[in-house]
Amino acid sequence: EDQVTQSPEALRLQEGESSSLNCSYTVSGLRGLFWYRQDPGKGPEFLFTLYSAGEEKEKERLKATLTKKESFLHITAPKPEDSATYLCAVHMKSGGGADGLTFGKGTHLIIQP
Amino acid sequence: DARVTQTPRHKVTEMGQEVTMRCQPILGHNTVFWYRQTMMQGLELLAYFRNRAPLDDSGMPKDRFSAEMPDATLATLKIQPSEPRDSAVYFCASGRIQETQYFGPGTRLLVL
Repeated sequence: EDQVTQSPEALRLQEGESSSLNCSYTVSGLRGLFWYRQDPGKGPEFLFTLYSAGEEKEKERLKATLTKKESFLHITAPKPEDSATYLCAVHMKSGGGADGLTFGKGTHLIIQP
Repeated sequence: DARVTQTPRHKVTEMGQEVTMRCQPILGHNTVFWYRQTMMQGLELLAYFRNRAPLDDSGMPKDRFSAEMPDATLATLKIQPSEPRDSAVYFCASGRIQETQYFGPGTRLLVL
């Protein structure tokens, strides 16, 4: 069964304390891996798409990387405004429902000043 | 700044009542998705459309849920009759084929 698992479930960091969030996946044919950020009471906001192992993308303090089994979201010197739930999702190749995204449960990140 | 819009943003109803949620996708996007988010299950795909045609609704309880896209600017998700277990946040997302999906703000539904 196709699965997306995110760890840790929750993470509390001090401002400036860098860390990484993990997303491991077992899918039969990956079309793309997506990272979204979700603030309380809002819809997921797109951050990155990764398509192949070895690919990396950066945006401000965030960098996403992809291997054949997992993706990491690295957060460098985070600020309180980076506090949010970070969601990982996979887009699979072919098959019924394959155009939809399969999401992990998310990592709830809190950055303390 | 193009965005997906959803109405209503909040809905409180009693068990057995009909609920209709609406979504306006981003202009030019030909694929529209409905997701449901709960604390226990996270985000789950319910159904999606491409060029207004339903492609998959295997995630929906078919006896009470229905999804339609009467025109390119409107997608609807209807629950009839509603049950307390339907309480969740319902998200609409739109995109183009094999591209990023952009999410709306969601409809927060509470069924009493």
